[in-house]
Amino acid sequence: QQQVKQSPQSLIVQKGGIPIINCAYENTAFDYFPWYQQFPGKGPALLIAIRPDVSEKKEGRFTISFNKSAKQFSLHIMDSQPGDSATYFCAASILKPRLTFGEGTQLTVNP
Amino acid sequence: NAGVTQTPKFQVLKTGQSMTLQCAQDMNHEYMSWYRQDPGMGLRLIHYSVGAGITDQGEVPNGYNVSRSTTEDFPLRLLSAAPSQTSVYFCASSWGGARGNTIYFGEGSWLTVV
Repeated sequence: QQQVKQSPQSLIVQKGGIPIINCAYENTAFDYFPWYQQFPGKGPALLIAIRPDVSEKKEGRFTISFNKSAKQFSLHIMDSQPGDSATYFCAASILKPRLTFGEGTQLTVNP
Repeated sequence: NAGVTQTPKFQVLKTGQSMTLQCAQDMNHEYMSWYRQDPGMGLRLIHYSVGAGITDQGEVPNGYNVSRSTTEDFPLRLLSAAPSQTSVYFCASSWGGARGNTIYFGEGSWLTVV
């Protein structure tokens, strides 16, 4: 049973575009929602995270939008660059270190 | 600045063999965990520990054992390897309590069971 569903599986955008990756969760007890970025052959690295009492969080070109009533959250990447090409995972947790991950989105940013 | 170190990076096992994946962190983190990553399934939690001497099961614990005798080390043991355990394994660590939520991952161990 996948408690965090992520879409799309893959995404291709042009440089400067704004890719949007969506996640939906089931467990209303989740209280921490991070996004991880993973390059080939590397471990996931924390990109940005949000708690459910906030509807939006921005860090540089990355923004999380959070909709508590819909149980959905999304990652927006402004002015995307080829260096942003990676796999992105959303996740959720109630207690550290128990992260529940989405299936992942492979993002390609073409020059 | 080592962070989370995993060994070996690559391993091929025969069905039925046992082995241990090593994980060490030098950040004095209380929490450590093991995940496996399979195509199209994200990362799934195998076992985790909130401190030395304390371990608990995650989402997919069957076929794996862990122990936490020191703060720094959290080895993952495969008791009798099966082809279904072919995967990429990631160790992770973080501070406990309210000291931030950043979970740091190692670079992964690629395991193939034939």
